[in-house]
Amino acid sequence: DQQVKQNSPSLSVQEGRISILNCDYTNSMFDYFLWYKKYPAEGPTFLISISSIKDKNEDGRFTVFLNKSAKHLSLHIVPSQPGDSAVYFCAASGGSYIPTFGRGTSLIVHP
Amino acid sequence: DSGVTQTPKHLITATGQRVTLRCSPRSGDLSVYWYQQSLDQGLQFLIQYYNGEERAKGNILERFSAQQFPDLHSELNLSSLELGDSALYFCASSPPAGVAYEQYFGPGTRLTVT
Repeated sequence: DQQVKQNSPSLSVQEGRISILNCDYTNSMFDYFLWYKKYPAEGPTFLISISSIKDKNEDGRFTVFLNKSAKHLSLHIVPSQPGDSAVYFCAASGGSYIPTFGRGTSLIVHP
Repeated sequence: DSGVTQTPKHLITATGQRVTLRCSPRSGDLSVYWYQQSLDQGLQFLIQYYNGEERAKGNILERFSAQQFPDLHSELNLSSLELGDSALYFCASSPPAGVAYEQYFGPGTRLTVT
């Protein structure tokens, strides 16, 4: 029973364009959402987060949008760069603050 | 570099054997988390320790156990290994206060059971 779903295993984008990575969740108790980026042979690194009291959080080229009614969040990367090529994990936390992770989306940004 | 170290990086062993994975958290972090990532799977939370005590348990098998020592490093023990235990095992740490959701991950240990 996947509580956090990333339905696209992979995404290919041209350099300079927007990358949109999507994530859906089922547990209405989740109130904090995170995105992690993972390069090969490295551990995941925290990228950006959003609390359920907000619907948008921006950090440079990265913006996360939260739609609570749809139980959906997305990560926008603008403009996309080849160095952004990595696996992106969506994660969600509730009262226990142990995040539940999705399976990841592999982003490839072509020069 | 997250500041979390894990050893060894790779481990190859046979079914039925027992292995120990080691993790040192970032300086000042009291919490250590263990995760398993199997092929095409997300990160599955196994167990958390906080300042030497077990704090939370996830999908950890009875064949697996962990502990956190007084110097705050942690070890994950996997016994009676099966082929399906082959995976990446990540350790993460988080600061004692503030945003505990934001965890810092080590580079992982790749376990291959043959």
